[in-house]
Amino acid sequence: GAVVSQHPSWVICKSGTSVKIECRSLDFQATTMFWYRQFPKQSLMLMATSNEGSKATYEQGVEKDKFLINHASLTLSTLTVTSAHPEDSSFYICSARDGTGRGLKETQYFGPGTRLLVL
Amino acid sequence: GDSVTQMEGPVTLSEEAFLTINCTYTATGYPSLFWYVQYPGEGLQLLLKATKADDKGSNKGFEATYRKETTSFHLEKGSVQVSDSAVYFCALGTGNQFYFGTGTSLTVIP
Repeated sequence: GAVVSQHPSWVICKSGTSVKIECRSLDFQATTMFWYRQFPKQSLMLMATSNEGSKATYEQGVEKDKFLINHASLTLSTLTVTSAHPEDSSFYICSARDGTGRGLKETQYFGPGTRLLVL
Repeated sequence: GDSVTQMEGPVTLSEEAFLTINCTYTATGYPSLFWYVQYPGEGLQLLLKATKADDKGSNKGFEATYRKETTSFHLEKGSVQVSDSAVYFCALGTGNQFYFGTGTSLTVIP
């Protein structure tokens, strides 16, 4: 099946530093990847949609200069939280859609998530 | 616009009890419907899906039928296990858009 990995699985950093999170589709090409944020006991909040080779589309209220997204290849998207602050602490989850035509095109396959704690 | 409304939790059941988690949707087109499961501390896993009316998705004993007439996609399982304890999300996918329900926490006690 379609597998999506995320790295790192968790990270602790000091306030003011930048953190990069990688999202990879392991056995399929993902023309579109999505980045979500999840607060404790809540649903997922879509942050941005990332298309390979073009700029990401950010949801309303999400600062694009704060959350930099790069979709460098058909199997890799990165989210960089710049100048992180404690309020950025959260669970970040990426997902990817299979662009090869296998399976259902609307299906999103999720990574295991990255837990970020900013001190 | 398109949206998903999911039964609020938390839900607590005894082992081997019957499970139903309600999900209804609003859509202008012909969406695909999904159930995802999130185990503690993990990401979301696709549990089952249905692409058109009257389709039934099934996996690991869970079932859900795409009902266009009632715009519903209720999740059911005949006999839950402790290992089914998780948060379940109903979702609607159409084109490039994906909409999640708020999630329903299920706890199964021995």
